[in-house]
Amino acid sequence: QKEVEQNSGPLSVPEGAIASLNCTYSDRGSQSFFWYRQYSGKSPELIMSIYSNGDKEDGRFTAQLNKASQYVSLLIRDSQPSDSATYLCALVIGAAGNKLTFGGGTRVLVKP
Amino acid sequence: NAGVTQTPKFQVLKTGQSMTLQCAQDMNHNSMYWYRQDPGMGLRLIYYSASEGTTDKGEVPNGYNVSRLNKREFSLRLESAAPSQTSVYFCASSARLAGFGETQYFGPGTRLLVL
Repeated sequence: QKEVEQNSGPLSVPEGAIASLNCTYSDRGSQSFFWYRQYSGKSPELIMSIYSNGDKEDGRFTAQLNKASQYVSLLIRDSQPSDSATYLCALVIGAAGNKLTFGGGTRVLVKP
Repeated sequence: NAGVTQTPKFQVLKTGQSMTLQCAQDMNHNSMYWYRQDPGMGLRLIYYSASEGTTDKGEVPNGYNVSRLNKREFSLRLESAAPSQTSVYFCASSARLAGFGETQYFGPGTRLLVL
């Protein structure tokens, strides 16, 4: 079992709708979680980080963390064509807590 | 302020050839990382350096070596390239290690094709 699982997609979303992305992980000890956005042919960029159970909102993005169920999700409200990208879930692993492991990414397509 | 830079942008190698991928950052960050990205696999950590003078293995270190030349530069070397090393390589840096929730800043990537 991979440490971080994501549906590869593509997730097709109409413009203005909510895109919902999910990520499950296997390491119960993980404490820090991140969402990165990667446009085709470009490098990843951090869009959200979350460390506590519950919701964290930043503009049109909301990250949700449930450590008991071992999942983290990302909601994109009022989706725009510019949100079309691959979204990578990442979390800190290792006893020293000094490495990131990434999921395979979910490709999102926002259709006008 | 260029952030994280990588050279070359693209490289074609023959099996068995060697090469070094260069990475430099101008943000005065302590920690630097090398990842590879393959379709559907996300990013996988090859090596990282918590600070100048230290390096540690990541998830997929076999076939690679690294050098943290100074605080700015972190190079990745393929001694004998294999087709399985065809990938996109990203260098990243952060002020502190990942466990402290530090944002990692990525370079533009190096696309490597091994024939």
